[in-house]
Amino acid sequence: GQSLEQPSEVTAVEGAIVQINCTYQTSGFYGLSWYQQHDGGAPTFLSYNALDGLEETGRFSSFLSRSDSYGYLLLQELQMKDSASYFCAVRAYGFQKLVFGTGTRLLVSP
Amino acid sequence: DVKVTQSSRYLVKRTGEKVFLECVQDMDHENMFWYRQDPGLGLRLIYFSYDVKMKEKGDIPEGYSVSREKKERFSLILESASTNQTSMYLCASSGETEPAIEQYFGPGTRLTVT
Repeated sequence: GQSLEQPSEVTAVEGAIVQINCTYQTSGFYGLSWYQQHDGGAPTFLSYNALDGLEETGRFSSFLSRSDSYGYLLLQELQMKDSASYFCAVRAYGFQKLVFGTGTRLLVSP
Repeated sequence: DVKVTQSSRYLVKRTGEKVFLECVQDMDHENMFWYRQDPGLGLRLIYFSYDVKMKEKGDIPEGYSVSREKKERFSLILESASTNQTSMYLCASSGETEPAIEQYFGPGTRLTVT
């Protein structure tokens, strides 16, 4: 089976940079994706790394290293509105379903 | 804009009741999913469907069943609700274009079983 581990909580201040790690035990998957979920809201898709390396989308970047079974989401110039839970997810070859990590709650303070 | 709607935001049911949670998507997506979300456990897949009348068990199907009679609608059924099924239930859909990793979620139904 697949499992993805994330830290349960990360705290940071406005304007800072924070990295949310995701380590996984799975093989043969399409890539690593990230979702954001605000309290009381639905998860929304943020990014996807099909290949190893860094993908940048505005203030957010995501990284994947298949050889290290590791990825991360990097949030720069943190804003209060970035306070949310962040989930990594993978879809294994031959399966339709996504497997989600346990989620990281990011708290941004003034 | 993709829209996934769920029949209720909040629901309170009694132990032993039969509960129906409805989900509708408007993007003609082939795949639909039901998850439950509990603190510290992330999103866990209950059932999914990749076509009308087709269904597959997810990681925690016990105590649940599903129905997909029309492409846009996916229903989750709790045959006899129990208190340990108190949770947030999220429906999602995705297209079949590979790698099909982007799922669109509904707002969720917070179910309380007393």
